[in-house]
Amino acid sequence: EAGVAQSPRYKIIEKRQSVAFWCNPISGHATLYWYQQILGQGPKLLIQFQNNGVVDDSQLPKDRFSAERLKGVDSTLKIQPAKLEDSAVYLCASSLDRGVEPQHFGDGTRLSIL
Amino acid sequence: QQPVQSPQAVILREGEDAVINCSSSKALYSVHWYRQKHGEAPVFLMILLKGGEQKGHDKISASFNEKKQQSSLYLTASQLSYSGTYFCGTEIEDNYGQNFVFGPGTRLSVLP
Repeated sequence: EAGVAQSPRYKIIEKRQSVAFWCNPISGHATLYWYQQILGQGPKLLIQFQNNGVVDDSQLPKDRFSAERLKGVDSTLKIQPAKLEDSAVYLCASSLDRGVEPQHFGDGTRLSIL
Repeated sequence: QQPVQSPQAVILREGEDAVINCSSSKALYSVHWYRQKHGEAPVFLMILLKGGEQKGHDKISASFNEKKQQSSLYLTASQLSYSGTYFCGTEIEDNYGQNFVFGPGTRLSVLP
């Protein structure tokens, strides 16, 4: 089966600019996660979708980050405006269902803020 | 509510065994284990659920002590390919299916 697809793989922008990441989960996976992973740390959950509804966005900095999952399939994560501390790898993962199923990760987008 | 992992890092020779621990201050519904190699995405190893159910690879073993809110990952007869950072992820018992939190990771290096 095809894995989780993410694009772009790399992005370099200046602070205060905006950026968007795209994720296509494994077909049939109801749950989609966006994580931020800063170098040397564990992934931090930003937002979790169940189909096209938000289950958990408690760690999402809502003043600058937004995410949507249209029709319960693809998802986009946006940052506007970007800050230096947003430099990280942004990982998308999907699972058949929340809680009891493995999460399958995409290769991530490495974001550098200048 | 981030789980605590120990040790922070471990160095092994090929063929040696290692144990990685994960503990939480809250009652857990599930514990997940993932391995991440440098520059790559995390890869699923195992899920342990309250009540005893487990899902994962045959060659990986782990335990989940529900009363102590602790889980351990056992790596036996280690191979060079086992090198990487191991993360546990936890779900709190009262928040089924949400508030998933990864630990800080344990860096494992296997030397020839």
